[in-house]
Amino acid sequence: GDSVTQMEGPVTLSEEAFLTINCTYTATGYPSLFWYVQYPGEGLQLLLKATKADDKGSNKGFEATYRKETTSFHLEKGSVQVSDSAVYFCALSEGSWGKLQFGAGTQVVVTP
Amino acid sequence: NAGVTQTPKFRVLKTGQSMTLLCAQDMNHEYMYWYRQDPGMGLRLIHYSVGEGTTAKGEVPDGYNVSRLKKQNFLLGLESAAPSQTSVYFCASSYGTPDDQPQHFGDGTRLSIL
Repeated sequence: GDSVTQMEGPVTLSEEAFLTINCTYTATGYPSLFWYVQYPGEGLQLLLKATKADDKGSNKGFEATYRKETTSFHLEKGSVQVSDSAVYFCALSEGSWGKLQFGAGTQVVVTP
Repeated sequence: NAGVTQTPKFRVLKTGQSMTLLCAQDMNHEYMYWYRQDPGMGLRLIHYSVGEGTTAKGEVPDGYNVSRLKKQNFLLGLESAAPSQTSVYFCASSYGTPDDQPQHFGDGTRLSIL
């Protein structure tokens, strides 16, 4: 079945450092791909998405490109802030029934 | 605008007790979902609903039941709680499928089964 694999955390960075979180997926068809973010004590919220190969999703300085050839959707940000400390989830959706398959999540800690 | 509201936020149960978690959304969304979040496992779908009066099983439905009698509410029931059901439960709703519309999440219910 479909699955999502993310790099394990926690990832600890200093403010203004470059962030990359790796995400690869397994799917039988052509899924849509998502990054959700969970700030401490809150529910998840959509950060960005891409619905077809070579699409780039972007939001709040974060970017991710849908790479079909490597089945990847890595999340990047050029200069992180303390406020970016959160758990980041990669997810995919295949089909029209509205279900998401989540990765295990990667905790990011940004220190001043 | 309340969005997705989950009740209660915390609960401790003894093994064998029953309880119902309530999810309410005020966005007129068709789709609603119940997930559980466990360390190192991300979110796993328990049950979902694609409209009032409909429910369907997700990835981990055993030990849970759901009902969607009103469009704005989605109830998750534990008939006989087990320690393996200790988890953080999230409700979500969406206007359509993820390709079109994002899922909006509540803040979660932390449930401990002793």
